[in-house]
Amino acid sequence: DQQVKQNSPSLSVQEGRISILNCDYTNSMFDYFLWYKKYPAEGPTFLISISSIKDKNEDGRFTVFLNKSAKHLSLHIVPSQPGDSAVYFCAARLGNMLTFGGGTRLMVKP
Amino acid sequence: DGGITQSPKYLFRKEGQNVTLSCEQNLNHDAMYWYRQDPGQGLRLIYYSQIVNDFQKGDIAEGYSVSREKKESFPLTVTSAQKNPTAFYLCASGDTWNTGELFFGEGSRLTVL
Repeated sequence: DQQVKQNSPSLSVQEGRISILNCDYTNSMFDYFLWYKKYPAEGPTFLISISSIKDKNEDGRFTVFLNKSAKHLSLHIVPSQPGDSAVYFCAARLGNMLTFGGGTRLMVKP
Repeated sequence: DGGITQSPKYLFRKEGQNVTLSCEQNLNHDAMYWYRQDPGQGLRLIYYSQIVNDFQKGDIAEGYSVSREKKESFPLTVTSAQKNPTAFYLCASGDTWNTGELFFGEGSRLTVL
């Protein structure tokens, strides 16, 4: 049973527009949510996180929104750039464990 | 330079052979993790260790073994009992009591011939 799901395997966006990546979870005990970015044949790199007691966190072009009642979080990238093309994973923390979603491949077209 | 080093980056193995993947970190993190990524799939947890000389199974531990004799090192052995070992293996470390952020190595791609 997947506790963290990313239902869109891929997303294509025009350069300069907004990219919205979505993530759903089932366990209400998760206390931290994170987004990672991954290029092929490399390890994931941390992007942004949000505590379960907040509903928004912003860092430059990246904003994460958390809707606890819907058990849903989203990552907004504005404006999108070709260098943002990668696979994005959401992850949720419980204790010392991170559970990852299946990833969404973002393609930003010039 | 602080970070996590995985080796080898690419590894080929014949069926029936055990192989050990190395993971070293100099970030002074207590917790270390091994994940597996298959094409088009997310990261699945194999084993994790929160402290030296202690480790726990993750979601897909069968056919794998680990040791944690030193804080800096968390090697993963893929045994011949692992039925489908061809995959991309990622090691990570972190002080997850803080924000939960994990730092990942560059990964090791294992191919069974």
